[in-house]
Amino acid sequence: KNEVEQSPQNLTAQEGEFITINCSYSVGISALHWLQQHPGGGIVSLFMLSSGKKKHGRLIATINIQEKHSSLHITASHPRDSAVYICAVEEGTDKLIFGTGTRLQVFP
Amino acid sequence: KAGVTQTPRYLIKTRGQQVTLSCSPISGHRSVSWYQQTPGQGLQFLFEYFSETQRNKGNFPGRFSGRQFSNSRSEMNVSTLELGDSALYLCASRRTGERAFFGQGTRLTVV
Repeated sequence: KNEVEQSPQNLTAQEGEFITINCSYSVGISALHWLQQHPGGGIVSLFMLSSGKKKHGRLIATINIQEKHSSLHITASHPRDSAVYICAVEEGTDKLIFGTGTRLQVFP
Repeated sequence: KAGVTQTPRYLIKTRGQQVTLSCSPISGHRSVSWYQQTPGQGLQFLFEYFSETQRNKGNFPGRFSGRQFSNSRSEMNVSTLELGDSALYLCASRRTGERAFFGQGTRLTVV
């Protein structure tokens, strides 16, 4: 069983829809990261969380430490949000364990 | 502010050769981590350096090594290349407790 599980693996949406991507983990962590990867490989860090909730623009990330679960929400989705979203947990100092990613396609 | 710079962006090597990849972190970032991304295994942690010391290492064979210089620039080396080493190699830099910033990666093809 992977230490970090993401769901769904693939997601398609119409522009404007509300999107949720889930991440569950089984190890003790110091923080959880949400990353975005566009075709071509570049990775952008969206959030780093150790508790509660963070919001940046149309993106919201939440984490429940007791349940070992995090969600990434995208409100009013747009075709430019199409990317792979990766959950990564930080075990110890600066060692990231990655989920397999969620491929999101948003159609106009 | 300049981002994380990785060189070269693309590389083709032959089995058995060795390769050195370079990563220049964001100014002021002392932690540099390296990751391997393949279609089959996804993203995997290679190692992390802080102030020229390796603090963490992933489950990779000894052919994979790295180092960090006093200016925080880092290199990783892969010796005796195998076909399975073909991958996108990413580095990331960060300040302790803050988000990581990733480079564009080096795409290594071993033929």
